[in-house]
Amino acid sequence: DAKTTQPPSMDCAEGRAANLPCNHSTISGNEYVYWYRQIHSQGPQYIIHGLKNNETNEMASLIITEDRKSSTLILPHATLRDTAVYYCIVFEGGSTLGRLYFGRGTQLTVWP
Amino acid sequence: DGGITQSPKYLFRKEGQNVTLSCEQNLNHDAMYWYRQDPGQGLRLIYYSQIVNDFQKGDIAEGYSVSREKKESFPLTVTSAQKNPTAFYLCASSTLGEGEQYFGPGTRLTVT
Repeated sequence: DAKTTQPPSMDCAEGRAANLPCNHSTISGNEYVYWYRQIHSQGPQYIIHGLKNNETNEMASLIITEDRKSSTLILPHATLRDTAVYYCIVFEGGSTLGRLYFGRGTQLTVWP
Repeated sequence: DGGITQSPKYLFRKEGQNVTLSCEQNLNHDAMYWYRQDPGQGLRLIYYSQIVNDFQKGDIAEGYSVSREKKESFPLTVTSAQKNPTAFYLCASSTLGEGEQYFGPGTRLTVT
C-alpha cells in the first residue's frame, strides 16, 4: 500500500524549476524516499533517493524535511522531455524484499 | 550494453488463450519483478523472484504464473483464468535489497 501522497498534476514552463512535493508522514527510520518517473508508454526510470540528507545528481535534487515527513523533487531547468508521471515511493532499506509501491504519482506537464 | 528487454512490444490474443511474455536481463541482478499497469493507474506487483527457482506472489497474482529457471530470465504467463488481462505489463530487476529497479520497455497486451 502506497505510503505517500502526491498532487495528481502540476505544470511548469520550460526552463523554469519544477518542484514536485510528496508527503510521507508515516515514514519510519529505516525507510528511504525514492523518486521514479514514467514517460508515457515507457517503463519507469529511477531518478534519485535519500534517507535524511538532501541529495543531488545529474537529473534532479531531493530535499527532505528535517522531520522526514515530506520531500520535494526539484528539476532545476525543466525541458519538454521532462513531461512524465513522477512517483514518490517509500522503501525499506536493508530489506531483501525489494518491493516498491507505486501510487498514481504526479503528472508533470512542461509547456513551451 | 547492459539492460532489461521485454518482447514483444505489442501482443494481441483471443480470449481463452494463454500467452507468455518474455523478460530478459543482463545486469546480473538477483531480483526480478513483474508489474501490471492499467490506464491512469500506478503499477501493481504480480510476482517477484529473489533467486533462481524461487518466486513469490505479489498483490495480484491470480490468473498469472511465472518461472525462474535462469538468473537472466523471468517469463510471465497470462492464463485464461485472468479475468481482465488487457493491460501494460512491465518487468524490472534489481540488486537484492536495493530500491533502484531497472525497468524494461513494457509489453502492451490486448485480449479480445
